[in-house]
Parts: sequence; C-alpha cells; structure tokens
Amino acid sequence: RKEVEQDPGPFNVPEGATVAFNCTYSNSASQSFFWYRQDCRKEPKLLMSVYSSGNEDGRFTAQLNRASQYISLLIRDSKLSDSATYLCVNNQGGKLIFGQGTELSVKP
Amino acid sequence: DADVTQTPRNRITKTGKRIMLECSQTKGHDRMYWYRQDPGLGLRLIYYSFDVKDINKGEISDGYSVSRQAQAKFSLSLESAIPNQTALYFCATSDSDIINGYTFGSGTRLTVV
Repeated sequence: RKEVEQDPGPFNVPEGATVAFNCTYSNSASQSFFWYRQDCRKEPKLLMSVYSSGNEDGRFTAQLNRASQYISLLIRDSKLSDSATYLCVNNQGGKLIFGQGTELSVKP
Repeated sequence: DADVTQTPRNRITKTGKRIMLECSQTKGHDRMYWYRQDPGLGLRLIYYSFDVKDINKGEISDGYSVSRQAQAKFSLSLESAIPNQTALYFCATSDSDIINGYTFGSGTRLTVV
C-alpha cells in the first residue's frame, strides 16, 4: 500500500463547478499535511497547509480527519486557471511524502 | 533571483557518465532535499540533509550520492548514469518545523541515453 494515496484522475469539470479531491495516508504518526499544486513540468507550489480543524482560503477548503487518516481538498467555482495536478502531502519525521497527484482539467 | 536555484535546467548525458546536479538556496534554511519525479509515480525522496553535517538516504538512494558543501548548497551526483535515471529532479528546502512546507527549485530535466 502506498503511504499517500489520492483519487485517480483526471477530473474534467466545467468552469464554475465544485470539485473535491480525496487523499488517504497510512502512517498515523504523520505530523502535518499540505496540498501542493503542480503545473505541467513545473515545480510544485504550496497551495495550502491543512490544519486539524479544517481551513479555508478563498475558494479552497481543506479538511483533515485523523481518525480515518483522510484529507480532502474542495475547490468551489472552478476557474480555467485551476487546471493543474494537485498533490496531497504529509510530513513524516521532517520528510514530505507525496501522493502521485490528481490531475484537474477545467473546461470552458 | 530565485530562492532555490537548480543547475542545469536540462541535461542529456550518455550511459555510464558521471553527472552532478547542483542546488543553491538563499532562504537560509537548514534542511535540503533531492526528489525525482516520474510520470504516474509522484515525487520520491532520494536524499535529504537536515544540516551541513547531516546526510540521510531517502526512499530511492541507490545509484546516487550527495554532498552538502555549505548550508546553502546541496549537490546530487549520478556516479554512472543509466537510462532509468531519466527523470525530472527537484531540489527543495525547508525550515526545521516545516510549517510552510518546502520551497522547490525549478527542476532539472535529465535524460540518459
């Protein structure tokens, strides 16, 4: 079993749609969690950290469920510019472990 | 200038050649990391260093070596390159508590022929 597993992609959605990505992790000792965004052939960039109480940044909402070892990312009112690969990441002893990513394509 | 700079950006090399990928940072971070990315496999950790005197193997260190020359510099070497080391390589840095995740360099696209 992979340490961090994400929904298989790609997700193809129309502009304005709401889309949710799910992620599970296997190491209960994971200390912190992040969502990164990666555009094609570019470096990953931090989208948001995930706090235990859940957190929101504009159109983006992240949730963490430690009991179920589950993380989610919700994107509301999708924009064309949201098209990218979204990486679920957890911190294990100071090392970030990445999921394989979920590709999102937002169409006009 | 970028916070994390990788050189070269692209490199094509022949099987059996030794190659070094370089990474430098201006963030003042103690921690530095090397990852490789292959299609469908995500980013996998090769080596990491929590300070200048600390070097640790990651998930896929075989065939690679590293050198932490200074707080700001962390280089990755392929002693004898082979085609399955063709990949996109990223260097990253972080502070000690990783509150803000990692800062990545722009990547080095390496092709071994």
